[in-house]
Amino acid sequence: GAGVSQSPSNKVTEKGKDVELRCDPISGHTALYWYRQSLGQGLEFLIYFQGNSAPDKSGLPSDRFSAERTGGSVSTLTIQRTQQEDSAVYLCASSLGSGRSNNEQFFGPGTRLTVL
Amino acid sequence: AQTVTQSQPEMSVQEAETVTLSCTYDTSESNYYLFWYKQPPSRQMILVIRQEAYKQQNATENRFSVNFQKAAKSFSLKISDSQLGDTAMYFCAFRIQGAQKLVFGQGTRLTINP
Repeated sequence: GAGVSQSPSNKVTEKGKDVELRCDPISGHTALYWYRQSLGQGLEFLIYFQGNSAPDKSGLPSDRFSAERTGGSVSTLTIQRTQQEDSAVYLCASSLGSGRSNNEQFFGPGTRLTVL
Repeated sequence: AQTVTQSQPEMSVQEAETVTLSCTYDTSESNYYLFWYKQPPSRQMILVIRQEAYKQQNATENRFSVNFQKAAKSFSLKISDSQLGDTAMYFCAFRIQGAQKLVFGQGTRLTINP
């Protein structure tokens, strides 16, 4: 079956512009996660959705970052007034959901965001 | 706070050799999971192996095995008979039981040379 998909694959924007990054999780996965991977760094947790709710948004770095999930499926990560330090690869993952003994997270290919 | 440390930024070995990647972590929790992920140039993170902290037996998946030392908070990955396709970034990660987010190390760039 299809894996996690993300769009766009690459995004170049100018400082101060808003961007939207999309994630389509694996069908049937109720949990969805966003991570950020800055150049040469490990992954940094941003936010977690269970269904359409976000019980943990502790990793969002500022109020310029927001995310939503609709229909328990697609999620959009929005960055307003982008800054150069927002340049990174944004990875989305999905899993069967909390409470499962094997809650393996399956990752998408990421969106590479470059802020000029 | 939980932290994961990978002390080897880069490693390089010849094909067919055995290589060990190190990982240490810090937590006050007793129930957790540990993972090794592989990230090839395609950027797709792939789960290589996982270990439940309550299991004393080290996990093994074909050519991949771990050496889990709970008291030392160490979780190394051994790749036997390395192949060119093993070339990738490898990330050690940690998740507390009941929590959802993964905490990642900085990664080790592994190159397998022909």
